[in-house]
Amino acid sequence: DSGVTQTPKHLITATGQRVTLRCSPRSGDLSVYWYQQSLDQGLQFLIQYYNGEERAKGNILERFSAQQFPDLHSELNLSSLELGDSALYFCASSVADAIGLNEKLFFGSGTQLSVL
Amino acid sequence: GIQVEQSPPDLILQEGANSTLRCNFSDSVNNLQWFHQNPWGQLINLFYIPSGTKQNGRLSATTVATERYSLLYISSSQTTDSGVYFCAVDGFKTIFGAGTRLFVKA
Repeated sequence: DSGVTQTPKHLITATGQRVTLRCSPRSGDLSVYWYQQSLDQGLQFLIQYYNGEERAKGNILERFSAQQFPDLHSELNLSSLELGDSALYFCASSVADAIGLNEKLFFGSGTQLSVL
Repeated sequence: GIQVEQSPPDLILQEGANSTLRCNFSDSVNNLQWFHQNPWGQLINLFYIPSGTKQNGRLSATTVATERYSLLYISSSQTTDSGVYFCAVDGFKTIFGAGTRLFVKA
């Protein structure tokens, strides 16, 4: 068990809908990362938060947004869902220092999103 | 951005065999990590290794940062080693390679 908790484990929804994925980092970790894993794109970095603030942005669509709350849990919101958004979404956490140097990543078990 | 290339893309081993997986990266990085994704999808951190050599049981890893590559060694492979091995590097955003898919036959 990595200590990173993601809910839900599975999510089935329809095109055009909006969903929220939740992540609780390991105790003491200030950084949260979101990744998307699809068969054709591999593991793609979406976004990173450090202590409540956005730290780095990757290939995140405008229809997607995220935030990290004061208790350090994070949510990834996916809206206007398309078939191509079906993927495994991972959250990871680490103890990162204030200038963005990242240490060892610990991954949650992922949320499998199916858009029908 | 940083490019990460892993080789080989696929590998089939007989149980008990040894193997070497390679990760090349195109620019200086702050750190490098190796992950194993098991057949159930779980991503397990194997090594955090920005430079030097580390060993953990049958696995070891070496990173030569000046030459921009890292190697993951698996000795006496077991069926439970099957899955995908990812190399991930960080300039500021952790970037994953495409992975090496390993299948170990009993």
